[in-house]
Amino acid sequence: NAGVTQTPKFRVLKTGQSMTLLCAQDMNHEYMYWYRQDPGMGLRLIHYSVGEGTTAKGEVPDGYNVSRLKKQNFLLGLESAAPSQTSVYFCASSYSGSGGQPQHFGDGTRLSIL
Amino acid sequence: GQNIDQPTEMTATEGAIVQINCTYQTSGFNGLFWYQQHAGEAPTFLSYNVLDGLEEKGRFSSFLSRSKGYSYLLLKELQMKDSASYLCAVLDSNYQLIWGAGTKLIIKP
Repeated sequence: NAGVTQTPKFRVLKTGQSMTLLCAQDMNHEYMYWYRQDPGMGLRLIHYSVGEGTTAKGEVPDGYNVSRLKKQNFLLGLESAAPSQTSVYFCASSYSGSGGQPQHFGDGTRLSIL
Repeated sequence: GQNIDQPTEMTATEGAIVQINCTYQTSGFNGLFWYQQHAGEAPTFLSYNVLDGLEEKGRFSSFLSRSKGYSYLLLKELQMKDSASYLCAVLDSNYQLIWGAGTKLIIKP
């Protein structure tokens, strides 16, 4: 009963490096989301997907790309990491985007960019 | 712009009752969620309100007034494990969640 699994849990990058964060869910959810959480701020939506093969921009998409090739997986890529992207990244999934369907979150990836 | 306000930090005593307020101004409204987040962990779902009134779920209750743009989360019989951040989030007209910065609740024995 894994729910939403994120890998890796921690990562330190140098400015300019690239990396991919992986999110996998086993609940057969259609919707998946990538957020970042910074001190003193609410969760901010980076990108989201409403189904396999679809992606859409959220509130803060610049510097990130995503792909949803399989329904259960949602990948977040950092093309050229910058110190401003130091944050905790959360992936979430939900059955639908409407009504009272709650989002289920992974344990997060703590990313530091030096 | 869209805005969700909640107190940054609150302190309460074990066994007592605490009310965490949330006010919002958003483009449209399709429901309000409360989540709990322990330090270093993922947010977990607590409650959902879409109609005015009080929803009770064990020791936790959530209230909504759409006309006032206001909600509160009421925690009764506080336990040390309730020490966490409580996040208020509103589902806007585009069905995207707008999140408050969270209220850090400190429980003292």
